[in-house]
Amino acid sequence: AQKITQTQPGMFVQEKEAVTLDCTYDTSDQSYGLFWYKQPSSGEMIFLIYQGSYDEQNATEGRYSLNFQKARKSANLVISASQLGDSAMYFCAMREASSAYNQGGKLIFGQGTELSVKP
Amino acid sequence: EPEVTQTPSHQVTQMGQEVILRCVPISNHLYFYWYRQILGQKVEFLVSFYNNEISEKSEIFDDQFSVERPDGSNFTLKIRSTKLEDSAMYFCASSPGYLPYTFGSGTRLTVV
Repeated sequence: AQKITQTQPGMFVQEKEAVTLDCTYDTSDQSYGLFWYKQPSSGEMIFLIYQGSYDEQNATEGRYSLNFQKARKSANLVISASQLGDSAMYFCAMREASSAYNQGGKLIFGQGTELSVKP
Repeated sequence: EPEVTQTPSHQVTQMGQEVILRCVPISNHLYFYWYRQILGQKVEFLVSFYNNEISEKSEIFDDQFSVERPDGSNFTLKIRSTKLEDSAMYFCASSPGYLPYTFGSGTRLTVV
């Protein structure tokens, strides 16, 4: 069965430093998608970045990049130049392919990592 | 930017009462989902809905739960007889099929 593991319940980082949040996954599917979401204390789920299993390059979105190591089944999130507003819970998630066209499919979430940015 | 809208943002209900959580997905999206997050825990899949029927449901989604898309725009989750353990944040999400999944801001349900 598909599984997402985030082994860091909490992380601290100094403002303006970079931080890496770990995520490993387990799947027997050849086609899958990996997501990172940010959940601030207000509770909403904010999409950050996506990596497809066939994407050869690591995904980047502004200060966010995804360090995708397929052979190791890891999809770590790197946040560069941390800001105080980055303090939040971060969830790694994997999408199962529910059809031959890889459409739809539920997301399976990890336990989350709570990031605290120190001034 | 299009949003998924959930109402109410907070709901307190007595144990045993029925609750309906409402969602307005993004209009051109085809897939709709409900997830829940018990306080301090991970986000769990409840049900997915496509082409006016349930496409997948989890073990959590038992006979107490139901979903409807009554008028082509709203997407509702009904809990027939709430239990204390149903207290959680409930998220609606929608997707065009490929990326992205867009989540609503959630409904915090408290069962007392």
